[in-house]
Amino acid sequence: KAGVTQTPRYLIKTRGQQVTLSCSPISGHRSVSWYQQTPGQGLQFLFEYFSETQRNKGNFPGRFSGRQFSNSRSEMNVSTLELGDSALYLCASSVATGGAYNEQFFGPGTRLTVL
Amino acid sequence: AQSVSQHNHHVILSEAASLELGCNYSYGGTVNLFWYVQYPGQHLQLLLKYFSGDPLVKGIKGFEAEFIKSKFSFNLRKPSVQWSDTAEYFCAVGGSQGNLIFGKGTKLSVKP
Repeated sequence: KAGVTQTPRYLIKTRGQQVTLSCSPISGHRSVSWYQQTPGQGLQFLFEYFSETQRNKGNFPGRFSGRQFSNSRSEMNVSTLELGDSALYLCASSVATGGAYNEQFFGPGTRLTVL
Repeated sequence: AQSVSQHNHHVILSEAASLELGCNYSYGGTVNLFWYVQYPGQHLQLLLKYFSGDPLVKGIKGFEAEFIKSKFSFNLRKPSVQWSDTAEYFCAVGGSQGNLIFGKGTKLSVKP
């Protein structure tokens, strides 16, 4: 079974631009969660989508948004990029909603660098 | 707010040494607890989890963790580490909204 895939793997953007990251979950998984990983803050929860609905949201500004499609693929968008948005963005999928209750399977991440 | 603390940022051990990585969480209610591991160049993957029952949980690759409710702790242990255990280890607690709250991770380096 193919794992979680994320595209692109690396991105370089400049301040003020916007970016869209994509995540394809494991086949049959309906929940997709997004995390931001930085050396200083570690892994922080952004949001979770289940059956095309946002179920949970972390403490990130409204510049961070996402969506999920009917095939469970998810996209994350960051508008008006800031230098502090440079991070590894991880996507995780699970069969059912809630990483608190179900094993999450993580993708390799997208490394975003904002210049 | 719920939080997870991992006491050690970087641990260096020789092969065959015993390992204990500390994890404390702040949450007074029922908790689900996890340890995830990230080997160099690989994805984060689940090592073990605790939901209820026996507080001593066994995971993959010889790892185990003990849930001590009175200490709000969920420490990870392995009796004898191998070079291949070199990785970053993350403790996580299930948040009240259903998401995962991670600690900042502990890097383990095992010297051959």
